[in-house]
Amino acid sequence: QQPVQSPQAVILREGEDAVINCSSSKALYSVHWYRQKHGEAPVFLMILLKGGEQKGHDKISASFNEKKQQSSLYLTASQLSYSGTYFCGTSKTSYDKVIFGPGTSLSVIP
Amino acid sequence: GAGVSQTPSNKVTEKGKYVELRCDPISGHTALYWYRQSLGQGPEFLIYFQGTGAADDSGLPNDRFFAVRPEGSVSTLKIQRTERGDSAVYLCASRARDRGDEQFFGPGTRLTVL
Repeated sequence: QQPVQSPQAVILREGEDAVINCSSSKALYSVHWYRQKHGEAPVFLMILLKGGEQKGHDKISASFNEKKQQSSLYLTASQLSYSGTYFCGTSKTSYDKVIFGPGTSLSVIP
Repeated sequence: GAGVSQTPSNKVTEKGKYVELRCDPISGHTALYWYRQSLGQGPEFLIYFQGTGAADDSGLPNDRFFAVRPEGSVSTLKIQRTERGDSAVYLCASRARDRGDEQFFGPGTRLTVL
């Protein structure tokens, strides 16, 4: 089942924060987050497996709620390099195919 | 080290023709995935190989699409009797055996069917 993402698009000024949400009507086994810059391949950000889990590196972090039906990606003090399309995805096991959401376009402007 | 490579980077063909798209995964990666991505959409799963065998081909849209990985490394996605609706970017990804998380994507092959 394809996850739903919101918002579809967001424009930020450098230094502002953003939250991207990923949800499903059924519990997800896992949530994968990827970022894709225009014309490039998607790049892995992180995976969350457990309800209540939080993960992050640098100024990008994510959470997975207890019911495992929603994940949020947090980008703090955004930089120009954060621009791109963010996809969440889910898989039955962490080794399985990933079913991706439709993506959230994020643009950071000076 | 070298990442996932895909050839050709661009392929333009006419409706009804046959095309082959190649993926070279990261050396030693046992899992290989094919996805396709249409403009403004997320990657859509096509097929997943674990070694030489297709572990899951549930995403192949119809029998015009076929993929092989005869030696457990390079994979070829084959599309027969191409249709205009097949136009998309075809992405390949690979994953290490013991890493159940990150899939490393290649740059993709942009297929245009005229």
